[in-house]
Amino acid sequence: AQSVTQLDSHVSVSEGTPVLLRCNYSSSYSPSLFWYVQHPNKGLQLLLKYTSAATLVKGINGFEAEFKKSETSFHLTKPSAHMSDAAEYFCVVRSNDYKLSFGAGTTVTVRA
Amino acid sequence: DVKVTQSSRYLVKRTGEKVFLECVQDMDHENMFWYRQDPGLGLRLIYFSYDVKMKEKGDIPEGYSVSREKKERFSLILESASTNQTSMYLCASTSPAGNSYEQYFGPGTRLTVT
Repeated sequence: AQSVTQLDSHVSVSEGTPVLLRCNYSSSYSPSLFWYVQHPNKGLQLLLKYTSAATLVKGINGFEAEFKKSETSFHLTKPSAHMSDAAEYFCVVRSNDYKLSFGAGTTVTVRA
Repeated sequence: DVKVTQSSRYLVKRTGEKVFLECVQDMDHENMFWYRQDPGLGLRLIYFSYDVKMKEKGDIPEGYSVSREKKERFSLILESASTNQTSMYLCASTSPAGNSYEQYFGPGTRLTVT
């Protein structure tokens, strides 16, 4: 069975500083991994996805994530946080039958 | 532009009522999913469907049922609503064709059972 663990429930950063959201996964085979973002009162939006191509994946809004098989990690980063990045972020792993398993989520707060 | 719509953004029902949540997608996707979202728990899969009239239980199907009579529509049914079913409900769809792994989500229905 596939699962993900998001290591931080809340992350607070100052505007203009780097953001790091940590995710570890468990999978019995080479996984497909995703990061989704949910802004307040908005639907879920795909940030980026890893599907066994390049290990460094670039997404929308300046986010990127690196797949590290040896560490079973898929951490999300952004060099410089913006106020509009305040949202909840979900790390997700996909199984062979197209089912998704979500992490518990990380809430990002950006301080001015 | 892809679109998944849900019949209501907010819904308030009484304990014991039968509740229908509707989801429609316009992308001709074969696969559709119902999740519930609760703080600190992320999204949990309730039911999913690979095709018309097909359904599979997800991780938390108890107290729910589903119906898929047409490809574009997937309904979630709470046979007898209870207060512990107060939650945000999200519908999603995807296609198994090619490398389309992304699930597209609707805006959600926030259900309160009193």
